[in-house]
Amino acid sequence: NAGVMQNPRHLVRRRGQEARLRCSPMKGHSHVYWYRQLPEEGLKFMVYLQKENIIDESGMPKERFSAEFPKEGPSILRIQQVVRGDSAAYFCASSPQLASLQETQYFGPGTRLLVL
Amino acid sequence: DAKTTQPNSMESNEEEPVHLPCNHSTISGTDYIHWYRQLPSQGPEYVIHGLTSNVNNRMASLAIAEDRKSSTLILHRATLRDAAVYYCILRDVEAGGTSYGKLTFGQGTILTVHP
Repeated sequence: NAGVMQNPRHLVRRRGQEARLRCSPMKGHSHVYWYRQLPEEGLKFMVYLQKENIIDESGMPKERFSAEFPKEGPSILRIQQVVRGDSAAYFCASSPQLASLQETQYFGPGTRLLVL
Repeated sequence: DAKTTQPNSMESNEEEPVHLPCNHSTISGTDYIHWYRQLPSQGPEYVIHGLTSNVNNRMASLAIAEDRKSSTLILHRATLRDAAVYYCILRDVEAGGTSYGKLTFGQGTILTVHP
């Protein structure tokens, strides 16, 4: 029973390039969350998606960042025209179909993005 | 989400119990108390959660004060693998009912376990 999978685990981009981070939730999970952890800082919520829907994007930067969770395939966090300040660890989490105050989120190992 | 306060760091010796405190004086009646931990270079990991009663699972115990303004995560016998940052998180339903999806992480407590 595979856990949450993220790829790539490490990603190096030059300023101005695009970064695509992928997240495959646990089997049977239809809720996906993305979090960002900047160096020496805590984890910050970015976006919450269900299949084909963005539920809460209150933590997403207004520009250059987008997320999707299509009917088929992994969730994608896309960062256009990356800047050095985007360098961080990006974690994806998933939870089962019924989201509630008791539900547990299962986290992936993260993607470490380095922008040169 | 309501705010929590945790000590920045704590230390323990291997095989000894560890009590990690969390203050949440502004907790509301519907807030659940969740604990996650993050081992070095890994994603966060769920530990335990509760509402009013004390809770036990294979990883830890959660003791909740009667007034719910504080709680304590208890690791009964710390191991080197328990060295991590421990986060105490309150989960509630904000206006609109959608924000219970997100976890709001504070700075957490860095637990160091000595051999």
